Amino acid sequence: GAVVSQHPSRVICKSGTSVKIECRSLDFQATTMFWYRQFPKQSLMLMATSNEGSKATYEQGVEKDKFLINHASLTLSTLTVTSAHPEDSSFYICSAGPGLIDQETQYFGPGTRLLVL
Amino acid sequence: GESVGLHLPTLSVQEGDNSIINCAYSNSASDYFIWYKQESGKGPQFIIDIRSNMDKRQGQRVTVLLNKTVKHLSLQIAATQPGDSAVYFCAENMKGGSYIPTFGRGTSLIVHP
Repeated sequence: GAVVSQHPSRVICKSGTSVKIECRSLDFQATTMFWYRQFPKQSLMLMATSNEGSKATYEQGVEKDKFLINHASLTLSTLTVTSAHPEDSSFYICSAGPGLIDQETQYFGPGTRLLVL
Repeated sequence: GESVGLHLPTLSVQEGDNSIINCAYSNSASDYFIWYKQESGKGPQFIIDIRSNMDKRQGQRVTVLLNKTVKHLSLQIAATQPGDSAVYFCAENMKGGSYIPTFGRGTSLIVHP
């Protein structure tokens, strides 16, 4: 099956700093990648859709200036949490898929645990 | 649409029993459905999918049933094992373009040895 990686797997940072999370599709090209946030005991909440070569599409309520998304290539998307605060502490997960007809399945990365002190 | 979970519903079963996890989806335009398994601290893992032109699909030890009339999905796990303990999510993909999976609330399955 398709493999999606994330780096780092966990990060601890001080309040006010910025953190970059990488999402890579290892064995397929992904025109579109998705970023989710998950709080404990809750479902995955879609934050944004990352489009290769163009601006990301953010879900309602997600601040685009705080969560910067860059999709520089067909295998890499990055999420930067700028000026992180303790309430940004969460589990961030990306997903990707070929995005083709009959190949809609999204494959998820292992997640990045962010703790902001 | 998405469901924002409160505390996850929990299903407790004994090892060897069959498990049935239910999910109600929200959009009648959805045409593709997926069940994911998420173990603690990990990303969701694909289990099985089904299209809207089917009402049943079987995999290894798992069966997904789709009832479009009442917008209901279920995941049946046969001979449940301790390794099946995880949170299970259904996701719906809406027809017509972006294939953005929308997650349901999730159910925590606990398998007792």
